[in-house]
Amino acid sequence: EADIYQTPRYLVIGTGKKITLECSQTMGHDKMYWYQQDPGMELHLIHYSYGVNSTEKGDLSSESTVSRIRTEHFPLTLESARPSHTSQYLCASTPTTPAYGYTFGSGTRLTVV
Amino acid sequence: RKEVEQDPGPFNVPEGATVAFNCTYSNSASQSFFWYRQDCRKEPKLLMSVYSSGNEDGRFTAQLNRASQYISLLIRDSKLSDSATYLCVVNKAGGSQGNLIFGKGTKLSVKP
Repeated sequence: EADIYQTPRYLVIGTGKKITLECSQTMGHDKMYWYQQDPGMELHLIHYSYGVNSTEKGDLSSESTVSRIRTEHFPLTLESARPSHTSQYLCASTPTTPAYGYTFGSGTRLTVV
Repeated sequence: RKEVEQDPGPFNVPEGATVAFNCTYSNSASQSFFWYRQDCRKEPKLLMSVYSSGNEDGRFTAQLNRASQYISLLIRDSKLSDSATYLCVVNKAGGSQGNLIFGKGTKLSVKP
């Protein structure tokens, strides 16, 4: 099965809290991605990284931030969660060339109350 | 024109039916093409890559027409378990070092 892991699977948190969603992969992939997806809706790319110390914003503006200090780890942080951040967050990775497609983690379903 | 366009469906078909999904892409320089499957509230999973010569995997056949910038997925002998959303995926040629672009998906519902 997929060697990309996201934690937590589900998170319910109060408004204003700081949260970090974890994503780790054991495949040695250089490229990693964060997507946001509401139920029944399309995927939106919010962040990506091509390697250590490389991060870029995606197509959808997001108040979250990411870091890439180690190849295998690509955490996403929300400094102050709001109800509008309620969504599913999916992490993906791929080798240097995307000709192999992306492998996705199981996602984190975030609810901000 | 959207970078990747799919008919959103839903496609409601009986078991055993043959169903075809179509997808168009806007960038003629794209080189990598895929079909992904996404079950409700789950992550997308790679169903198959799409090659220029067309390729088949069991009941699934994918075709690519570069001249028309068109990709298709044919599912034969549909099963209840095929019910899912099917995402057409194309690499973003040029900038962004080939990031993949995901279509909005076509929802398939196979009924008994």
